[in-house]
Amino acid sequence: QVTLKESGPGILQPSQTLSLTCTFSGFSLSTYGMGVGWIRQPSGKGLEWLANIWWDDDKYYNPSLKNRLTISKDTSNNQAFLKITNVDTADTATYYCARRQGAFDYWGQGVMVTVSS
Amino acid sequence: DIVMTQTPSSQAVSAGEKVTMSCKSSQSLLYNENKKNYLAWYQQKPGQSPKLLIYWASTRESGVPDRFIGSGSGTDFTLTISSVQAEDLAVYYCQQYYNFPLTFGSGTKLEIK
Repeated sequence: QVTLKESGPGILQPSQTLSLTCTFSGFSLSTYGMGVGWIRQPSGKGLEWLANIWWDDDKYYNPSLKNRLTISKDTSNNQAFLKITNVDTADTATYYCARRQGAFDYWGQGVMVTVSS
Repeated sequence: DIVMTQTPSSQAVSAGEKVTMSCKSSQSLLYNENKKNYLAWYQQKPGQSPKLLIYWASTRESGVPDRFIGSGSGTDFTLTISSVQAEDLAVYYCQQYYNFPLTFGSGTKLEIK
């Protein structure tokens, strides 16, 4: 059974760094063709893809967030991570991690993150 | 970036009716080497995470009812629900995974009369 669960700080202040963790089970990020992506959704709005990491550590980022994103993984502990630097109120959203082999076939429940002073 | 345009933004139908929604991409999602369209459809019910319904434009994910039908190729795609049920109340998103950055449409909100 594949499951993913996101965790994060809940609330942080503008200019801080957001650190998110995706803890998963039922698959391995060392398996050929496997990937994990991060997607976010502001309340009442649509989905925005942020970043993707593959089994071979290849990484892709949404250029709209310029150089603020860093994705990484810990294969041994079945975790993937996303850092977003210099956050502001526009980064307030629910953040999802999802397994990816082509489309995103399994999603976590999401974690709400609020950026507020 | 590939722009995904979904229409309509919302629609209301009665249970038992057929509904279709459109997704158009700004460039072809058909990869000639394997003849696959890199297009997925997701369903997001209120308060829930998105759920994969359709991938490769027309392949139903395991466990998805057969009333959900994906069709289309190239730049024009359609999601059809052959007989809408009350539990189909949701926002439906299309997404291209042809290349990075991955992009989603803005969604079609399905309301049940």
